[in-house]
Amino acid sequence: QQQVKQSPQSLIVQKGGISIINCAYENTAFDYFPWYQQFPGKGPALLIAIRPDVSEKKEGRFTISFNKSAKQFSLHIMDSQPGDSATYFCAASIGDTSGSRLTFGEGTQLTVNP
Amino acid sequence: GAVVSQHPSWVICKSGTSVKIECRSLDFQATTMFWYRQFPKQSLMLMATSNEGSKATYEQGVEKDKFLINHASLTLSTLTVTSAHPEDSSFYICSASSRTSNYGYTFGSGTRLTVV
Repeated sequence: QQQVKQSPQSLIVQKGGISIINCAYENTAFDYFPWYQQFPGKGPALLIAIRPDVSEKKEGRFTISFNKSAKQFSLHIMDSQPGDSATYFCAASIGDTSGSRLTFGEGTQLTVNP
Repeated sequence: GAVVSQHPSWVICKSGTSVKIECRSLDFQATTMFWYRQFPKQSLMLMATSNEGSKATYEQGVEKDKFLINHASLTLSTLTVTSAHPEDSSFYICSASSRTSNYGYTFGSGTRLTVV
Protein backbone atom coordinates (compact mmCIF):
# COMPACT_ATOMS: atom_id res chain seq x y z
CA GLN A 1 0.00 0.00 0.00
CA GLN A 2 2.86 2.34 0.73
CA GLN A 3 5.07 1.48 -2.22
CA VAL A 4 6.09 3.71 -5.06
CA LYS A 5 7.57 1.88 -8.02
CA GLN A 6 9.99 3.79 -10.26
CA SER A 7 11.40 2.93 -13.66
CA PRO A 8 13.78 2.74 -15.37
CA GLN A 9 16.61 2.12 -12.93
CA SER A 10 19.02 3.85 -15.28
CA LEU A 11 18.64 5.98 -18.38
CA ILE A 12 21.09 7.26 -20.96
CA VAL A 13 20.00 10.13 -23.16
CA GLN A 14 21.77 12.23 -25.74
CA LYS A 15 22.08 15.96 -25.21
CA GLY A 16 18.94 17.68 -26.43
CA GLY A 17 16.82 14.57 -26.06
CA ILE A 18 13.84 13.93 -23.81
CA SER A 19 14.30 12.01 -20.56
CA ILE A 20 11.24 10.22 -19.24
CA ILE A 21 11.00 8.60 -15.83
CA ASN A 22 7.89 6.83 -14.63
CA CYS A 23 6.40 6.10 -11.23
CA ALA A 24 3.39 4.13 -10.05
CA TYR A 25 1.81 4.17 -6.63
CA GLU A 26 -0.72 2.08 -4.76
CA ASN A 27 -2.05 4.20 -1.92
CA THR A 28 -4.94 6.32 -3.21
CA ALA A 29 -4.63 8.55 -0.14
CA PHE A 30 -1.41 10.04 -1.52
CA ASP A 31 -2.03 13.63 -2.56
CA TYR A 32 1.42 15.13 -2.98
CA PHE A 33 3.84 13.87 -5.61
CA PRO A 34 7.27 15.51 -5.72
CA TRP A 35 10.31 14.74 -7.81
CA TYR A 36 13.78 15.16 -6.38
CA GLN A 37 17.16 15.53 -8.04
CA GLN A 38 20.22 14.28 -6.23
CA PHE A 39 23.85 14.79 -7.17
CA PRO A 40 26.56 12.54 -5.70
CA GLY A 41 27.36 13.41 -2.11
CA LYS A 42 24.46 15.85 -1.81
CA GLY A 43 20.99 15.75 -0.36
CA PRO A 44 17.95 15.57 -2.62
CA ALA A 45 16.63 18.85 -3.96
CA LEU A 46 13.02 19.42 -4.91
CA LEU A 47 12.64 19.68 -8.67
CA ILE A 48 8.92 19.91 -9.19
CA ALA A 49 5.79 18.64 -7.46
CA ILE A 50 2.17 18.02 -8.37
CA ARG A 51 -1.12 17.44 -6.64
CA PRO A 52 -3.83 15.13 -7.99
CA ASP A 53 -6.19 17.93 -8.94
CA VAL A 54 -4.16 18.65 -12.09
CA SER A 55 -2.95 16.32 -14.82
CA GLU A 56 0.17 18.19 -15.80
CA LYS A 57 2.57 20.75 -14.37
CA LYS A 58 5.41 22.38 -16.23
CA GLU A 59 8.33 24.34 -14.87
CA GLY A 60 10.92 25.26 -17.45
CA ARG A 61 12.26 22.09 -19.05
CA PHE A 62 10.64 19.86 -16.43
CA THR A 63 7.10 18.52 -16.72
CA ILE A 64 5.13 16.19 -14.49
CA SER A 65 2.31 14.22 -16.07
CA PHE A 66 -0.18 12.74 -13.63
CA ASN A 67 -2.76 10.02 -14.33
CA LYS A 68 -4.94 9.60 -11.27
CA SER A 69 -7.01 6.71 -12.61
CA ALA A 70 -3.90 4.72 -13.51
CA LYS A 71 -2.12 5.81 -10.31
CA GLN A 72 0.91 6.80 -12.31
CA PHE A 73 2.99 9.94 -12.72
CA SER A 74 6.02 10.72 -14.78
CA LEU A 75 8.79 13.26 -15.13
CA HIS A 76 9.74 14.57 -18.55
CA ILE A 77 12.98 16.49 -18.99
CA MET A 78 12.98 18.32 -22.29
CA ASP A 79 16.19 19.33 -24.06
CA SER A 80 18.23 17.23 -21.63
CA GLN A 81 21.66 18.62 -20.78
CA PRO A 82 24.81 16.99 -19.39
CA GLY A 83 24.24 19.01 -16.21
CA ASP A 84 21.01 17.10 -15.71
CA SER A 85 23.02 13.94 -15.12
CA ALA A 86 21.99 12.94 -11.60
CA THR A 87 19.78 10.53 -9.72
CA TYR A 88 16.08 11.30 -9.77
CA PHE A 89 13.62 10.13 -7.16
CA CYS A 90 9.86 10.27 -7.30
CA ALA A 91 8.00 10.34 -4.02
CA ALA A 92 4.51 10.51 -2.61
CA SER A 93 2.94 11.56 0.65
CA ILE A 94 -0.35 12.35 2.25
CA GLY A 95 -0.13 16.10 2.52
CA ASP A 96 3.12 18.07 2.54
CA THR A 97 2.83 20.15 5.71
CA SER A 98 1.28 17.68 8.11
CA GLY A 99 4.54 15.97 8.87
CA SER A 100 3.56 12.76 7.15
CA ARG A 101 6.36 10.73 5.67
CA LEU A 102 7.50 10.70 2.08
CA THR A 103 7.53 7.35 0.33
CA PHE A 104 10.33 7.27 -2.24
CA GLY A 105 10.75 5.39 -5.47
CA GLU A 106 13.90 3.38 -6.05
CA GLY A 107 15.60 6.12 -8.05
CA THR A 108 16.73 6.56 -11.66
CA GLN A 109 20.33 7.24 -12.60
CA LEU A 110 20.18 9.62 -15.55
CA THR A 111 23.20 10.14 -17.77
CA VAL A 112 23.04 12.77 -20.48
CA ASN A 113 25.82 12.35 -23.03
CA PRO A 114 27.24 15.47 -24.68
CA GLY B 1 13.14 29.53 0.04
CA ALA B 2 13.49 27.09 2.89
CA VAL B 3 17.00 26.04 3.84
CA VAL B 4 18.13 23.19 6.06
CA SER B 5 21.75 23.30 7.13
CA GLN B 6 23.30 19.93 7.97
CA HIS B 7 26.69 19.48 9.65
CA PRO B 8 29.16 18.01 9.37
CA SER B 9 29.18 17.16 5.68
CA TRP B 10 31.56 14.31 6.36
CA VAL B 11 33.04 12.67 9.42
CA ILE B 12 35.44 9.83 10.08
CA CYS B 13 35.35 8.23 13.50
CA LYS B 14 36.85 5.26 15.24
CA SER B 15 34.79 2.20 15.98
CA GLY B 16 33.12 2.46 19.39
CA THR B 17 32.90 6.23 19.48
CA SER B 18 29.80 8.38 19.09
CA VAL B 19 29.08 10.91 16.38
CA LYS B 20 26.54 13.73 16.40
CA ILE B 21 24.96 15.14 13.25
CA GLU B 22 23.09 18.44 13.38
CA CYS B 23 20.33 19.79 11.21
CA ARG B 24 19.09 23.34 11.47
CA SER B 25 16.20 24.96 9.67
CA LEU B 26 17.47 28.44 8.90
CA ASP B 27 14.39 30.37 7.87
CA PHE B 28 11.38 28.39 8.98
CA GLN B 29 10.12 26.41 11.93
CA ALA B 30 10.61 22.70 11.41
CA THR B 31 7.72 21.09 13.22
CA THR B 32 8.75 17.69 11.91
CA MET B 33 12.20 16.31 11.15
CA PHE B 34 12.90 13.13 9.23
CA TRP B 35 16.18 11.26 9.33
CA TYR B 36 17.21 9.07 6.42
CA ARG B 37 20.02 6.71 5.66
CA GLN B 38 21.18 6.11 2.12
CA PHE B 39 23.50 3.41 0.84
CA PRO B 40 25.33 3.81 -2.49
CA LYS B 41 23.06 3.63 -5.51
CA GLN B 42 20.01 3.08 -3.33
CA SER B 43 16.98 5.09 -2.35
CA LEU B 44 16.52 6.97 0.90
CA MET B 45 15.55 4.79 3.82
CA LEU B 46 13.58 6.52 6.55
CA MET B 47 15.07 5.88 9.98
CA ALA B 48 12.88 7.99 12.22
CA THR B 49 10.43 10.87 12.41
CA SER B 50 10.49 13.44 15.17
CA ASN B 51 8.09 16.19 16.08
CA GLU B 52 9.37 19.13 18.07
CA GLY B 53 9.27 18.44 21.76
CA SER B 54 8.27 14.80 21.35
CA LYS B 55 10.11 11.53 21.28
CA ALA B 56 11.10 10.28 17.87
CA THR B 57 9.21 7.49 16.15
CA TYR B 58 11.60 4.92 14.76
CA GLU B 59 11.04 2.72 11.74
CA GLN B 60 11.01 -1.00 12.17
CA GLY B 61 14.50 -2.42 12.45
CA VAL B 62 16.13 0.86 13.50
CA GLU B 63 17.72 0.67 16.95
CA LYS B 64 16.54 3.67 18.94
CA ASP B 65 19.30 3.25 21.52
CA LYS B 66 21.91 3.35 18.80
CA PHE B 67 20.51 6.23 16.78
CA LEU B 68 19.53 8.91 19.28
CA ILE B 69 17.38 11.69 17.89
CA ASN B 70 16.73 14.96 19.65
CA HIS B 71 14.35 17.61 18.37
CA ALA B 72 14.27 20.01 21.26
CA SER B 73 13.54 23.15 19.28
CA LEU B 74 11.74 24.17 16.12
CA THR B 75 15.02 24.88 14.37
CA LEU B 76 17.36 22.12 15.50
CA SER B 77 17.39 18.36 15.39
CA THR B 78 20.33 16.08 16.08
CA LEU B 79 21.12 12.47 15.28
CA THR B 80 23.73 10.78 17.46
CA VAL B 81 25.17 7.51 16.30
CA THR B 82 26.32 5.83 19.49
CA SER B 83 29.07 3.23 19.68
CA ALA B 84 29.53 3.42 15.95
CA HIS B 85 30.68 0.38 14.00
CA PRO B 86 31.87 0.03 10.40
CA GLU B 87 28.43 -1.18 9.34
CA ASP B 88 27.03 2.21 10.41
CA SER B 89 29.06 3.86 7.67
CA SER B 90 26.56 5.48 5.35
CA PHE B 91 25.15 8.74 4.06
CA TYR B 92 22.74 10.30 6.55
CA ILE B 93 20.26 12.95 5.43
CA CYS B 94 17.77 15.02 7.38
CA SER B 95 14.59 16.57 6.06
CA ALA B 96 12.31 19.11 7.62
CA SER B 97 8.70 19.99 7.12
CA SER B 98 6.53 22.64 8.68
CA ARG B 99 2.83 22.98 9.41
CA THR B 100 3.16 26.73 9.18
CA SER B 101 4.78 27.10 5.79
CA ASN B 102 4.22 25.90 2.29
CA TYR B 103 7.74 24.66 1.67
CA GLY B 104 6.92 20.96 1.64
CA TYR B 105 9.92 18.88 2.59
CA THR B 106 13.38 20.47 2.62
CA PHE B 107 16.45 18.27 2.74
CA GLY B 108 19.82 18.87 4.29
CA SER B 109 22.97 18.36 2.26
CA GLY B 110 23.76 15.05 3.95
CA THR B 111 26.55 13.68 6.13
CA ARG B 112 28.95 11.01 4.96
CA LEU B 113 29.87 8.91 8.01
CA THR B 114 32.83 6.57 7.80
CA VAL B 115 33.59 4.37 10.79
CA VAL B 116 37.08 2.88 10.84
